[in-house]
Amino acid sequence: GENVEQHPSTLSVQEGDSAVIKCTYSDSASNYFPWYKQELGKRPQLIIDIRSNVGEKKDQRIAVTLNKTAKHFSLHITETQPEDSAVYFCAAIRGNTNAGKSTFGDGTTLTVKP
Amino acid sequence: DAGVTQSPTHLIKTRGQHVTLRCSPISGHKSVSWYQQVLGQGPQFIFQYYEKEERGRGNFPDRFSARQFPNYSSELNVNALLLGDSALYLCASSLPRAGYGYTFGSGTRLTVV
Repeated sequence: GENVEQHPSTLSVQEGDSAVIKCTYSDSASNYFPWYKQELGKRPQLIIDIRSNVGEKKDQRIAVTLNKTAKHFSLHITETQPEDSAVYFCAAIRGNTNAGKSTFGDGTTLTVKP
Repeated sequence: DAGVTQSPTHLIKTRGQHVTLRCSPISGHKSVSWYQQVLGQGPQFIFQYYEKEERGRGNFPDRFSARQFPNYSSELNVNALLLGDSALYLCASSLPRAGYGYTFGSGTRLTVV
């Protein structure tokens, strides 16, 4: 079946440093790759996404890159702040004429130390 | 605008019982997906519904079923509950074209005892 591997499982950085989280997917039909931030006891919230026809997307301090050939995509957070501390999930979604199927990674716990 | 709403927020059931969880999507969203999230893991895809039809199914047993109503709200049903079904059940709605802009509800915390 489809699989998404996410690394690292935990990441600790100093405030102001950059953080990078990487995901590899197996389903070559995946065409949509969102990233979610989940704080303790709360719902996952979409922070950035990228479609398969785009190689990179940036939104302020957050960027995502996609390498379709290698089937991996990465989340980059620059100038990290303590409020960035949370669990981050990547997902690979096969969306085709409303027949979607999504696979999530197991998450990365990011801790930003002040 | 209201976001994705789920009910109930918490639920305790006994092994062998059945449970029905409910989800109302964001207004204008016609696609609803269900996920199971066990503590320490990512959401696991259960079903996707669009226009009242099942469009995707994850690797879950037949004890899990769902349906979508004409107003695009949805129910997830789980029969013959097992202890291992204890989890946070999340509903997500998305724009009419599946696979984009998933927005999650706050989930239903199910505990099976």
